[in-house]
Amino acid sequence: DIQMTQSPASLSASLGETISIECLASEGISSYLAWYQQKPGKSPQLLIYGANSLQAGVPSRFSGSGSGTQYSLKISSMQPEDEGDYFCQQSYKFPPTFGSGTKLEIK
Amino acid sequence: QVNLLQSGAALVKPGASVKLSCKASGYTFTDYYIHWVKQSHGKSLEWIGYINPNSGYTNYNEKFKSKATLTVDKSTNTAYMELSRLTSEDSATYYCTREGWYSFDYWGQGVMVTVSS
Repeated sequence: DIQMTQSPASLSASLGETISIECLASEGISSYLAWYQQKPGKSPQLLIYGANSLQAGVPSRFSGSGSGTQYSLKISSMQPEDEGDYFCQQSYKFPPTFGSGTKLEIK
Repeated sequence: QVNLLQSGAALVKPGASVKLSCKASGYTFTDYYIHWVKQSHGKSLEWIGYINPNSGYTNYNEKFKSKATLTVDKSTNTAYMELSRLTSEDSATYYCTREGWYSFDYWGQGVMVTVSS
């Protein structure tokens, strides 16, 4: 299975700050990479698919980039509602696998 | 609007089975695969498998092949996952989710399964 290594495990950011979360795949995944946000007690919500395509309805302060084995999610100007857990997920090979998650909090 | 409504929380005894449901609405049920995902300890996510609601074709994660069975009822737009021979390791929240473009674009609200005597 493809291993997805996500970093950092946790992150504190001030309001208005720009943050990045990284995801490293154990082999190349050709941009078949998605990012999800999960708030406490809720189901994950799709933010980004295809490494850099913004899901409909997601604020434009979220963006994704990367290629090969290295990908990142950027949040420009941290907002209170951005607190939560973030996961990356590859769908290049079966089975789809997820990163271990990043907990994002407001400083 | 797309909605996946899952059945309520379940408390089941070790060794028993449980069947979870996921009722889809707001789109053509047979046009999108339904996947199931396990979340343990409130953190890590594991893909269990998917079903093609049109054909009934299934594909499972090797880890869950002897644990999970996926079915659908097209007449009620409902997907099911049966988990068998339950142990404490199966205590988790289980989500159904719709496959979008190489991603999961809509998710059910999740159902917590607790295995305890």
